[in-house]
Amino acid sequence: DAGVTQSPTHLIKTRGQQVTLRCSPKSGHDTVSWYQQALGQGPQFIFQYYEEEERQRGNFPDRFSGHQFPNYSSELNVNALLLGDSALYLCASSSGGVVTDTQYFGPGTRLTVL
Amino acid sequence: AQSVTQLGSHVSVSEGALVLLRCNYSSSVPPYLFWYVQYPNQGLQLLLKYTSAATLVKGINGFEAEFKKSETSFHLTKPSAHMSDAAEYFCAVSDLAGGYNKLIFGAGTRLAVHP
Repeated sequence: DAGVTQSPTHLIKTRGQQVTLRCSPKSGHDTVSWYQQALGQGPQFIFQYYEEEERQRGNFPDRFSGHQFPNYSSELNVNALLLGDSALYLCASSSGGVVTDTQYFGPGTRLTVL
Repeated sequence: AQSVTQLGSHVSVSEGALVLLRCNYSSSVPPYLFWYVQYPNQGLQLLLKYTSAATLVKGINGFEAEFKKSETSFHLTKPSAHMSDAAEYFCAVSDLAGGYNKLIFGAGTRLAVHP
């Protein structure tokens, strides 16, 4: 049973560029959440997708956007990159996304903005 | 608003010693609480979760945590540390206000285990 997968593993971009990160949820899961983990900090919630709609969003600017496809996979897009966007981006999946559901995390994508 | 505080950003123990990682939460309603572990250059792995059933929760790798409402705590323990336990540990609470399973994480505690 494949777990949550993310691509790419690492990414280096320069300020002002745009980036797309990808996530495939665990088999049987239909809900995908994205988190940003800055160095030395805990993960912070960016947004959650369910049935191809963003249904909950954290305190992140509109430069952060996402998409969920019919097969439940998801993309995170970040426009106009800033140095402060350098972080580990984690994708988590769950089934239905109710409050007691466990979220299963992928290995993350390490984004470095120069 | 719900929040999580992890006391001690770094904890160091000897192999075979008791592991105690502290987590306090703030919530106006009964919380759902989680402990995750993160090994270097990896994602988060669930250790255990509390969802209002038994207050003593047993998890993987010999870890357990006890929910204490009176102390608003959910400390993680393991009787005997192993070298392989060296990692970063995160306590998290499910944000009930949104109605979904958005997680609010603490800042993490890095556990070092020395021989």
